[in-house]
Amino acid sequence: GENVEQHPSTLSVQEGDSAVIKCTYSDSASNYFPWYKQELGKRPQLIIDIRSNVGEKKDQRIAVTLNKTAKHFSLHITETQPEDSAVYFCAARHGNQFYFGTGTSLTVIP
Amino acid sequence: DVKVTQSSRYLVKRTGEKVFLECVQDMDHENMFWYRQDPGLGLRLIYFSYDVKMKEKGDIPEGYSVSREKKERFSLILESASTNQTSMYLCASTRGGALSGANVLTFGAGSRLTVL
Repeated sequence: GENVEQHPSTLSVQEGDSAVIKCTYSDSASNYFPWYKQELGKRPQLIIDIRSNVGEKKDQRIAVTLNKTAKHFSLHITETQPEDSAVYFCAARHGNQFYFGTGTSLTVIP
Repeated sequence: DVKVTQSSRYLVKRTGEKVFLECVQDMDHENMFWYRQDPGLGLRLIYFSYDVKMKEKGDIPEGYSVSREKKERFSLILESASTNQTSMYLCASTRGGALSGANVLTFGAGSRLTVL
């Protein structure tokens, strides 16, 4: 099956700085890569996603990039705010299954 | 507008007890999933179902079974709970096939199970 690795496991940034979270996947047949944000005590929520035929996608302060050749994709958050503090999960869809990374706990320091 | 409902938010059970975790979705989704979430391990797939009465093992099915008798309901069963099954359990669903929205996982609020 697919193997998704995610780094770093924890990340602290000052408010206003950028945050980058990186993931790699193993199976070139994976074709969809979502990012989920999970606030403390809440369910994971989709924040952005990218399909394998696209290299980059932006939505206001967040962006995702995909390098199919290297099998890695990244989440970029610019102008971070305290409400961005949460655990972020990357995932790869392979067939009907979704494989998740181990999560990154992001803390934005006011 | 809660769309994926997990019946129990918190459960405390004893070793050896049989445990049922229920999940209901009202979006007419074909695919339903049970994940286990543990710190540092992310979300690991236990079982998923792509149709009524159909199921497939995920990465960590040992000690678990599932039931999907109706499209909207997907149950996770621990036949004999053990302490290493103490965890947060998340149910999720998606539309099936190549339909629009097939990629978007909608999660339930989670069921935190403690096995003593």
